[in-house]
Amino acid sequence: AQSVTQLDSQVPVFEEAPVELRCNYSSSVSVYLFWYVQYPNQGLQLLLKYLSGSTLVKGINGFEAEFNKSQTSFHLRKPSVHISDTAEYFCAVSDPRARGGKLIFGQGTELSVKP
Amino acid sequence: NAGVTQTPKFQVLKTGQSMTLQCAQDMNHNSMYWYRQDPGMGLRLIYYSASEGTTDKGEVPNGYNVSRLNKREFSLRLESAAPSQTSVYFCASAPEPSYEQYFGPGTRLTVT
Repeated sequence: AQSVTQLDSQVPVFEEAPVELRCNYSSSVSVYLFWYVQYPNQGLQLLLKYLSGSTLVKGINGFEAEFNKSQTSFHLRKPSVHISDTAEYFCAVSDPRARGGKLIFGQGTELSVKP
Repeated sequence: NAGVTQTPKFQVLKTGQSMTLQCAQDMNHNSMYWYRQDPGMGLRLIYYSASEGTTDKGEVPNGYNVSRLNKREFSLRLESAAPSQTSVYFCASAPEPSYEQYFGPGTRLTVT
């Protein structure tokens, strides 16, 4: 069975500093990978996705993620964060060959950007 | 495009009452999903519909039923609400199973 582990539940960082949110997954098959952001009292918004092709994926709001198959990781990075990036971030994985195509979500990482 | 819409936004129920949460999408997506989100537990899948005419149980289906009314609409019903069902409920849709899901704004439900 697939699982997703987000290695940090909370990440505090100062404005304009770089940030990395870590995500590891367990799967014996090829997967699709996603990062979502949730601002307070809102639904989840897709930041970026990896389906195939280049392992470096660029998303919205200056975020990018790198798919590393050998390490089964999909870490999210941003070179310089803003106060407005304060939110909860979720990593998710799906198996394109599985029935129903469910997404398996990690527990989330709270990013807190301080001035 | 409105994307994924959910009604109501907020609801308070007494134990034992029933209600239906409505979800609609205007993106012509085949797959639709219902999740609940609780503090410290992430998102948990309640039911999903991989395509029109099919529904399947997710991780936490007990106490819920669903109806895929047509390609656009996917409703979630609580037959006899319990305090353990106090949560934020999200509906999502995807063009096909396994692809990226698009989420609605959520329904905040409190059962007293």
